[in-house]
Amino acid sequence: QVQLVQSGSELKKPGASVKVSCKASGYSFVTYTMNWVRQAPGQGLEWMGYINTKTGNPTYAPGFTGRFVFSLDTSVTTAYLQISSLKAEDTAVYYCARAIGMVRFDYWGQGTVVTVSS
Amino acid sequence: QSVLTQPPSASGTPGQRVTISCSGSSSNIGSDYVYWYQHLPGTAPKLLIYRDNQRPSGVPDRFSGSKSGTSASLAISGLRSEDEADYYCAAWDDSLSVGVFGGGTKLTVL
Repeated sequence: QVQLVQSGSELKKPGASVKVSCKASGYSFVTYTMNWVRQAPGQGLEWMGYINTKTGNPTYAPGFTGRFVFSLDTSVTTAYLQISSLKAEDTAVYYCARAIGMVRFDYWGQGTVVTVSS
Repeated sequence: QSVLTQPPSASGTPGQRVTISCSGSSSNIGSDYVYWYQHLPGTAPKLLIYRDNQRPSGVPDRFSGSKSGTSASLAISGLRSEDEADYYCAAWDDSLSVGVFGGGTKLTVL
């Protein structure tokens, strides 16, 4: 069955970096884009962008350029989200989600809590 | 401020029918499909409706979606306690070239 399993919670200090992984299984990894969605505390879902799993080409939503990097390792069917120069406002739950088309997210990871605090 | 506008809250009693609205514009709902997600705290969001009114396998037919112009609605009939969750609409915005979510509606089953 299709599964997206994300790495565990992270506690980081401001200015540090974090890399969240999303291990996919149960389907052809390169057939679907991998998207990233953020939910800050008390806020709604926010689309961060996606990575084309065939070409490795990322697309970032405004507000997620510069410090955010999507990457892949197709040999282990894993997508990554790296955030550098962490700020307190990056504290959130980050989800990976497989997409059919643009915003039809049919499978989601369980979410990774990233907490940025000194 | 979300591109798609939803009421922050909705409520109903068991067995009732409730609807949640989602208002957008010609560059998103007016030109692309609408999707609905159910999100229970501490779990991954779940796709409820795709392409305006289609249900994925396993989603009960108590859930239905509709769209007219630049607005969409999610209807839940025969309300159950387990339907208490946050509900989000989503669409692609052609002008912004981004995926957009509504702000979410917290459904309370009284």
